[in-house]
Amino acid sequence: DSGVTQTPKHLITATGQRVTLRCSPRSGDLSVYWYQQSLDQGLQFLIQYYNGEERAKGNILERFSAQQFPDLHSELNLSSLELGDSALYFCASSVEVGTEAFFGQGTRLTVV
Amino acid sequence: GESVGLHLPTLSVQEGDNSIINCAYSNSASDYFIWYKQESGKGPQFIIDIRSNMDKRQGQRVTVLLNKTVKHLSLQIAATQPGDSAVYFCAERGRDDKIIFGKGTRLHILP
Repeated sequence: DSGVTQTPKHLITATGQRVTLRCSPRSGDLSVYWYQQSLDQGLQFLIQYYNGEERAKGNILERFSAQQFPDLHSELNLSSLELGDSALYFCASSVEVGTEAFFGQGTRLTVV
Repeated sequence: GESVGLHLPTLSVQEGDNSIINCAYSNSASDYFIWYKQESGKGPQFIIDIRSNMDKRQGQRVTVLLNKTVKHLSLQIAATQPGDSAVYFCAERGRDDKIIFGKGTRLHILP
């Protein structure tokens, strides 16, 4: 157990809908990262937060947004969902930026 | 641009032999590299990391080698065991603090 908690574990939703994925980082970790992993693909970096502030942005679609709250948990919002958004979404956290990141078990999103 | 790639998508190794997984990176400004292991249905698990001011780092049964001249990273696993079967990813951190992953190498252990 990495100490990073993601909910829900599985999510099935229809095209055009909006979902929110939640991540609780390890205790004491200030940095949160979000990644998308499609079938048999690597992890695509989406966005990173540090202590509530956006720190780095990757290939995140405009339909997606995220934030990190004062209690350091983070949410990833996916809207106007398309079939191609079906993937595993991972959250990771680290104590500081650039130290080793620990991953949650992921949320498997299926868009039908 | 930023890209981290792996030379081989699948590596088959006899149980008990050493495994070597290779990775090339393109961002010469990257200063921190990490190897992760991902088992089926699980999130990536940190294995070992190395900073750019080092060329070798050893852990338990694993060694990471960094060759900055040719921008190459490798992970060596000693005495490979069935539990080592997984997909291995290398990742790099650039100056903008993004941690970028390669596509992964699947390690298959032969009995």
